[in-house]
Amino acid sequence: GNSVTQMEGPVTLSEEAFLTINCTYTATGYPSLFWYVQYPGEGLQLLLKATKADDKGSNKGFEATYRKETTSFHLEKGSVQVSDSAVYFCALHGSSNTGKLIFGQGTTLQVKP
Amino acid sequence: DVKVTQSSRYLVKRTGEKVFLECVQDMDHENMFWYRQDPGLGLRLIYFSYDVKMKEKGDIPEGYSVSREKKERFSLILESASTNQTSMYLCASWGAHEYEQYFGPGTRLTVT
Repeated sequence: GNSVTQMEGPVTLSEEAFLTINCTYTATGYPSLFWYVQYPGEGLQLLLKATKADDKGSNKGFEATYRKETTSFHLEKGSVQVSDSAVYFCALHGSSNTGKLIFGQGTTLQVKP
Repeated sequence: DVKVTQSSRYLVKRTGEKVFLECVQDMDHENMFWYRQDPGLGLRLIYFSYDVKMKEKGDIPEGYSVSREKKERFSLILESASTNQTSMYLCASWGAHEYEQYFGPGTRLTVT
């Protein structure tokens, strides 16, 4: 079945450091891929998405490229801020039209000033 | 803006009580979801509904039931709460046009 694997956290960085959070997936067909972010005390919100291979999603300085050859969708940001401290979830939507997402286990990012 | 609201942010219940968690969305979405979130386990799907009165079990339905009497409202029911159901519960709806799930703020349930 479909699955998503994220790097284990927590990840602790200094402000302005480069961020990578790894995400790999297993899926049949042609899934769509998402990154969601959860700030403290809140629900999840969509950060970015990519619906086909080689697509790049971007938002708020974050980027991720859908790599079918390596089944990956790694999240990157060139210079993190304290306000980026949150939990990040990689997710996959399969080829059905149900809207069901399969989530990774989440990666906690803490950015220190 | 799509709004998904949940009836309570924090809830404390006793073992054996019947618990209702309510979720309302205002975007006329057909598909709605209930997850629980636990540290190290990510989000696990409890139930989802693809239409009024229609429901499907997710990955961890045991101990839970759901109700969808109106399109905008999706309720999660703990028939007899137990301490292992202490968790964060998140509701979401799927916007087929926007192609994303929209989440409520979550209900942190503690069962003592």
